[in-house]
This record gives sequence, structure tokens and C-alpha cells, in this order.
Amino acid sequence: EVQLVESGGGLVKPGGSLRLSCAASGFTFSSYSMNWVRQAPGKGLEWVSSISSSSSYIYYADSVKGRFTISRDNAKNSLYLQMNSLRAEDTAVYYCAGTYYFDYWGQGTLVTVSS
Amino acid sequence: QLVLTQSPSASASLGASVKLTCTLSSGHSSYAIAWHQQQPEKGPRYLMKLNSDGSHSKGDGIPDRFSGSSSGAERYLTISSLQSEDEADYYCQTWGTGEGVFGGGTKLTVL
Repeated sequence: EVQLVESGGGLVKPGGSLRLSCAASGFTFSSYSMNWVRQAPGKGLEWVSSISSSSSYIYYADSVKGRFTISRDNAKNSLYLQMNSLRAEDTAVYYCAGTYYFDYWGQGTLVTVSS
Repeated sequence: QLVLTQSPSASASLGASVKLTCTLSSGHSSYAIAWHQQQPEKGPRYLMKLNSDGSHSKGDGIPDRFSGSSSGAERYLTISSLQSEDEADYYCQTWGTGEGVFGGGTKLTVL
């Protein structure tokens, strides 16, 4: 059974940092691109960032470029999102999603940016 | 610019069928998309990948009641024999050059 389990969310002040993690199991993690998607309260899904299987290709939404960094550790079957200079508008549930067309989804972790 | 357009809401009766639409912006009618379902208070779930020729590949465990089709720049998700658990938000998704794109979502109400 495929599982993606996010962790690392929480309450942080504007300008602060958080590091999200996603632990993958049940599929060959190292063979697939991985993604982060977020959903602000009451809003739709927003793509945040993607990383190719070997980390050769990395992409970011304009809204997070220069502030967020995606990475992965294939030996640990893990995906990460380092979030710096957080803003109120970054408040959302963050989902880890696997493969090019998001075949696999985690349950999400809530990030709240507030003073 | 690549944009996916969805109607904000749709409704249909229990046991009936409904067809949801996702429209690709001009110049992108050959793009494949994926459909995802998000039930209330849950994370999204992948339903299927849908190609421009209407061929589609569904995710594991997705019932036969869910099917996809295409016409030009339009991508459709048809749900037949509607059940109460089909009440959810439905999102289409694709890839532009170096960016993922989601439609705004359609909230389906089962009457």
C-alpha cells in the first residue's frame, strides 16, 4: 500500500522558517518525481514545487520562488520542503504528492503563519 | 499562459449521472490532464489521467462509475450512478513549462 506521511507543520511567526518532511512507502520512491501542493483555508489546490527523481530538475511556483527549497533523499525515501521568510499568505495545508500526475497524495500538514 | 477553467459548482440527484468539464486555455488543446477528487475534510485522491484522444488510465480502486472523455480543449469527468460519497470537490490538473497547474475546482452536490 502506498503511503505518504507529511510532518513538520505548525504555528510560526511571519518571517520565520519551517521544514516539512514527507515519508514515502509502498512504491519505488527513487523512480518518480515528487511534488508539494498547498491548500489555503476554504480555497482550491495550488501547486508549490516539484523535483525530478534524481533531483536534476526543480521547479517552483512564482509565489514561493526564492523563499522555499525542495529536496529529496532517495536513500531515506523522503521529500522535504524548507520554507523561509514565511508570510501570512503561506498559511495552508501542505500536501506531498507523488509522480508526474500526482497519483499519490499524503494527508497533509497544516502550516499557520501568524503573529 | 496555461489555464484550466472549471465551473465552480454542479449538482445532480442520487443515482443519476453528471459530467464535469475542464477547459484548457487557447493553444493547449493537446494537453493531457489528471482528475482528482477531494471529499470533505480529506486529502485529494487521484482519479485518472485523461489524454486528448479520450483515452484514460484510472487510479487503483477507482470504480467503473468514473470515466473520462475529451473533445477539443475540453476534458470531461463523468460520474454515473451517483452515490452520496461522490459529493466532493473535483480538480483538474496539468503541466505547463516548468509549472504545475490546477483548475479552480468544481464542488459537486448530490441531491
